[in-house]
Amino acid sequence: GENVEQHPSTLSVQEGDSAVIKCTYSDSASNYFPWYKQELGKRPQLIIDIRSNVGEKKDQRIAVTLNKTAKHFSLHITETQPEDSAVYFCAASINNAGNMLTFGGGTRLMVKP
Amino acid sequence: KAGVTQTPRYLIKTRGQQVTLSCSPISGHRSVSWYQQTPGQGLQFLFEYFSETQRNKGNFPGRFSGRQFSNSRSEMNVSTLELGDSALYLCASSLGTSGQETQYFGPGTRLLVL
Repeated sequence: GENVEQHPSTLSVQEGDSAVIKCTYSDSASNYFPWYKQELGKRPQLIIDIRSNVGEKKDQRIAVTLNKTAKHFSLHITETQPEDSAVYFCAASINNAGNMLTFGGGTRLMVKP
Repeated sequence: KAGVTQTPRYLIKTRGQQVTLSCSPISGHRSVSWYQQTPGQGLQFLFEYFSETQRNKGNFPGRFSGRQFSNSRSEMNVSTLELGDSALYLCASSLGTSGQETQYFGPGTRLLVL
């Protein structure tokens, strides 16, 4: 089955700096890659997603890039703010398989004011 | 629209007991997926139900089961509870028409097995 690896497991940045989280996946049939943010005690919430027919997607301070050949995708957060502090999860799924997300291990992002 | 809801929010059980968790999806959503979240194993897929049928199943023992009703509400059951079943159980709903849809998560049910 699909395996998703996520790095780093923890990331500490100064407010205003950029943060980058990287994920690799194993199944070349995966074609949907969402990113979720989970604050302490809260439910995971989608922050951005990308489909395999797109190489990059941006939404204000957040961007995701996808390299299908290398089977990796990355989350970029610019101008980080203290409220960006949370655990971020990448995931992958295969379109024909219905809704079955395989998650990475998570990255705890800490933004220091 | 109301979001995904889960009941109960917290549960304490003892080893050997069984437990039933409930998930009500967003109105109009026909797919409900269940995930187990633990500090050690992260977020792991349990199963997905669509139109009252199990469409996908993760790598969990048969003690974990689920069902979906005609109104798309879903329940999951864990029998013969073990200490290692202590976790946050999250359900997520989506329209169910493709594998590239946003899944919206509920607040979760935190299960503690003593």
